[in-house]
Amino acid sequence: LAKTTQPISMDSYEGQEVNITCSHNNIATNDYITWYQQFPSQGPRFIIQGYKTKVTNEVASLFIPADRKSSTLSLPRVSLSDTAVYYCLVGIMNRDDKIIFGKGTRLHILP
Amino acid sequence: GAGVSQSPSNKVTEKGKDVELRCDPISGHTALYWYRQSLGQGLEFLIYFQGNSAPDKSGLPSDRFSAERTGGSVSTLTIQRTQQEDSAVYLCASSGRQRGLNYGYTFGSGTRLTVV
Repeated sequence: LAKTTQPISMDSYEGQEVNITCSHNNIATNDYITWYQQFPSQGPRFIIQGYKTKVTNEVASLFIPADRKSSTLSLPRVSLSDTAVYYCLVGIMNRDDKIIFGKGTRLHILP
Repeated sequence: GAGVSQSPSNKVTEKGKDVELRCDPISGHTALYWYRQSLGQGLEFLIYFQGNSAPDKSGLPSDRFSAERTGGSVSTLTIQRTQQEDSAVYLCASSGRQRGLNYGYTFGSGTRLTVV
């Protein structure tokens, strides 16, 4: 899997939009970008996945520029319950593959 | 089942004892993974099973750790002669093709192991 770099931690306030950027300079042609969210005392859960341009679901948006060397997870109008660790993964994802998680971004939402 | 099930959810054991942790993956998922997460840390890969292939054991920290997967479904992670540094949350995940995704990984809630 391609190596990823993301901020160790971020703070934001309720109601704000939060953008977390992940760098993946050596992304391969067949790689997808996937984000996971982990709450305390729980396993990570899938948030969103994309290949290029923009993907939006009920939870978040994922922005991927044309060169695909980075991606930005956007959380609209965050609440205290969005406090979690967010992991960016890059890989082929069209088969079962060993996944190595980085340290993720610890997002802390303040009231 | 509907999700990945792990048991027990919590385990307290004495140093030197053996423990077994169980993972019941999503039905039909061919791949199964074990991870370890110490307090405030990221996920540490332990072992990966894919179908009938030999497991990838490259993440097991010592020979005290072993895992098996019976019948391509349920997996058991065994830690022999537990040490205090083994205290962590042990997470299991399974993966397979899901609607709308190029494969998704579903995690269980983990087993919190405390070695005293």
